[in-house]
Amino acid sequence: AQKVTQAQTEISVVEKEDVTLDCVYETRDTTYYLFWYKQPPSGELVFLIRRNSFDEQNEISGRYSWNFQKSTSSFNFTITASQVVDSAVYFCALRGIIQGAQKLVFGQGTRLTINP
Amino acid sequence: DGGITQSPKYLFRKEGQNVTLSCEQNLNHDAMYWYRQDPGQGLRLIYYSQIVNDFQKGDIAEGYSVSREKKESFPLTVTSAQKNPTAFYLCASRVGGATEAFFGQGTRLTVV
Repeated sequence: AQKVTQAQTEISVVEKEDVTLDCVYETRDTTYYLFWYKQPPSGELVFLIRRNSFDEQNEISGRYSWNFQKSTSSFNFTITASQVVDSAVYFCALRGIIQGAQKLVFGQGTRLTINP
Repeated sequence: DGGITQSPKYLFRKEGQNVTLSCEQNLNHDAMYWYRQDPGQGLRLIYYSQIVNDFQKGDIAEGYSVSREKKESFPLTVTSAQKNPTAFYLCASRVGGATEAFFGQGTRLTVV
């Protein structure tokens, strides 16, 4: 079975603070993909990043960075110098290839509020 | 413009009625998905399809039905058997292989 856990339901920080959103996953597949999506108030999910199970390199894109650690089954997302526009619900997702049957499974989401 | 179109944006249904939500994509994507989102909750998978004329149940398929007669279309029917259908419904698609899914803007269904 596949499962994604985002233990932080809500996070509230002051602008310019750094913030890390946690994601822990479970899968029996050896080949799988991990994703982060952003959901602004409009409701549509916006794709942020994809990572495959064979690539544990961390990635940085502007103020965003992702830390993938297979040893702890975690794929955490950090926003540096947060801005009010970063306020949204963020989802981590997993898609396993074989036993996961290509299902795309989401965590419960973390509501991030950046206060001015 | 290429994209995923869900219609209508808002839908009201009387109890006991079936209702169909539309999802169309012109991206030539192979796989399509339907999710349900309740207030303050994550996305739960209802059905997904990887090719035309084939689809699989997700985690909460009871009370829902789908069809995939055309590559670009994946309509979702919410039947009267679905006891609590009020929710936000999101459709997604992806081209296949090691790719991410892209989402439509959602349909907010309310039972009145």
